[in-house]
Amino acid sequence: GNSVTQMEGPVTLSEEAFLTINCTYTATGYPSLFWYVQYPGEGLQLLLKATKADDKGSNKGFEATYRKETTSFHLEKGSVQVSDSAVYFCALSYYSNYQLIWGAGTKLIIKP
Amino acid sequence: GAGVSQSPRYKVAKRGQDVALRCDPISGHVSLFWYQQALGQGPEFLTYFQNEAQLDKSGLPSDRFFAERPEGSVSTLKIQRTQQEDSAVYLCASSRQVAGGPSEQFFGPGTRLTVL
Repeated sequence: GNSVTQMEGPVTLSEEAFLTINCTYTATGYPSLFWYVQYPGEGLQLLLKATKADDKGSNKGFEATYRKETTSFHLEKGSVQVSDSAVYFCALSYYSNYQLIWGAGTKLIIKP
Repeated sequence: GAGVSQSPRYKVAKRGQDVALRCDPISGHVSLFWYQQALGQGPEFLTYFQNEAQLDKSGLPSDRFFAERPEGSVSTLKIQRTQQEDSAVYLCASSRQVAGGPSEQFFGPGTRLTVL
């Protein structure tokens, strides 16, 4: 079946460090891929998305590239801030607007 | 409204009680989803509404779970005879579109249900 695997957390970094959170997926066909973020005490919100192979999603300094050959959608940021501390979820969807399939989430802790 | 709202934010129930969780989606959003999120896990799909029609309820874990959206806006998730394994955060999300390309789901803050 379809699934999403994320690197386990927590990931702890110092401010201004480079961030990578790995996400790989198992699916047939061409799913859309998403990164959602959950800040402490807040609801999930879409961070970025990509809908086809080689697409790059970007937002707030975060980027992720849809790599079909490696079935990956790794999240990267060049210089993290304390305010980036949150839980990050990778997800996929086959049908538009339908049944997001989620990874377990990766907690990111940024220390000043 | 400004965003998706859910109530109550926290609910403590004794085993065997019935509970009702409410979701107010963004005004005009056609699609509405319910998810269940266990501690330390990603959300898991429960059910999907397109307007008032429940098009998919394949994720509901048992017949104790029931969801409705009678007028195509507010939705209620009802759990009958709650069990300890029902303890989780229940998330509601809405989306503007029906189909035609991946669209963003907007999430509410969730209702944390604890069954004692």
